[in-house]
Amino acid sequence: EPEVTQTPSHQVTQMGQEVILRCVPISNHLYFYWYRQILGQKVEFLVSFYNNEISEKSEIFDDQFSVERPDGSNFTLKIRSTKLEDSAMYFCASPTGFGYTFGSGTRLTVV
Amino acid sequence: QQPVQSPQAVILREGEDAVINCSSSKALYSVHWYRQKHGEAPVFLMILLKGGEQKGHEKISASFNEKKQQSSLYLTASQLSYSGTYFCGTAQVSGNTPLVFGKGTRLSVIA
Repeated sequence: EPEVTQTPSHQVTQMGQEVILRCVPISNHLYFYWYRQILGQKVEFLVSFYNNEISEKSEIFDDQFSVERPDGSNFTLKIRSTKLEDSAMYFCASPTGFGYTFGSGTRLTVV
Repeated sequence: QQPVQSPQAVILREGEDAVINCSSSKALYSVHWYRQKHGEAPVFLMILLKGGEQKGHEKISASFNEKKQQSSLYLTASQLSYSGTYFCGTAQVSGNTPLVFGKGTRLSVIA
């Protein structure tokens, strides 16, 4: 089964620091999504990325967030100046023929 | 626009059945169901489309009432491995559109 790979699995950062989360979606997929999940809560949409451009974003995805494709296969989610409330699991997901395949996630802890 | 799931939590003994509901106030094109184990990524179970098409795992059954904009996930003869949080995700249009997830239903199956 195709996989979505995320790194790191866990990152601890100090408030105000920049973090970069990485994702390798299912190969040859033009579409992928970033979601986040605050501990014990629902999965929330952040941004969708299609063919090297942001196609849609939520109100959570403010100026502190950015998405890039630094090379042909990797995608990054950058948080410029982390806040305590950014602590969450961050998932990227690739849409398949049916449903999404989620990556294993990055647990971000802001202290 | 967030779908409403019920119940919030349910405890079953092995072999018992459960129904998890997901309802929306908006007209839906599709309903997705995912199961998430603690500390893991959501895993796709099933998608139900407007018009009656369904795709998913053979052992999972679900329904989608287009008139009521309600979907139900049926878990029969539950096993310990069914434990986890079940999320429905909804989309109002077809194509690669981000899902809006409900708050989840926590299912615990005990021996």
